Amino acid sequence: NAGVMQNPRHLVRRRGQEARLRCSPMKGHSHVYWYRQLPEEGLKFMVYLQKENIIDESGMPKERFSAEFPKEGPSILRIQQVVRGDSAAYFCASSPETTNEKLFFGSGTQLSVL
Amino acid sequence: DAKTTQPTSMDCAEGRAANLPCNHSTISGNEYVYWYRQIHSQGPQYIIHGLKNNETNEMASLIITEDRKSSTLILPHATLRDTAVYYCIVRVPGYSSASKIIFGSGTRLSIRP
Repeated sequence: NAGVMQNPRHLVRRRGQEARLRCSPMKGHSHVYWYRQLPEEGLKFMVYLQKENIIDESGMPKERFSAEFPKEGPSILRIQQVVRGDSAAYFCASSPETTNEKLFFGSGTQLSVL
Repeated sequence: DAKTTQPTSMDCAEGRAANLPCNHSTISGNEYVYWYRQIHSQGPQYIIHGLKNNETNEMASLIITEDRKSSTLILPHATLRDTAVYYCIVRVPGYSSASKIIFGSGTRLSIRP
């Protein structure tokens, strides 16, 4: 059973471009969480999604950021018009339908904005 | 905001037991204590969790005080690969916004040869 898959592993964008980060949860998992980790800082919660629904987006910046988890396919974190301050590691985690006692994290996407 | 307090850093000799303390004096009755760790540049890794009884698995032991206001994570025989930031978290498992994990600053554990 493959773990949580995030791609790309590294993403380079110029200021003003769009960044799309993908997260494929583990098989049988229907809950996804996104976290951001700025350089030398801790992990900050961004958004919690269940299939086709946003449960909690209290950590999402009000502008330029959006997330979705469609019925089919991976969860997508989208950042429009990226700025240098968006450079960070973005991690997603998933949990099963039946219990979310444990969250399983992916290896992250390192976004670098030039 | 995180509801736990941990020392900023600790070190331990390889082969010895590493004991990482955590204070969670405001924990509520339905909140569990969780431990995760993050090895440099990797995603966080689940270690162990418990409600009020002590727990043990292949990675570690968790000792929770009777009043549940503090706990200790024990790595019985620390190795160099255990060097990481260790996070103590309290949360309510479930499917509401209360189930999200809020990470604090954690304890940076260094294992010395």
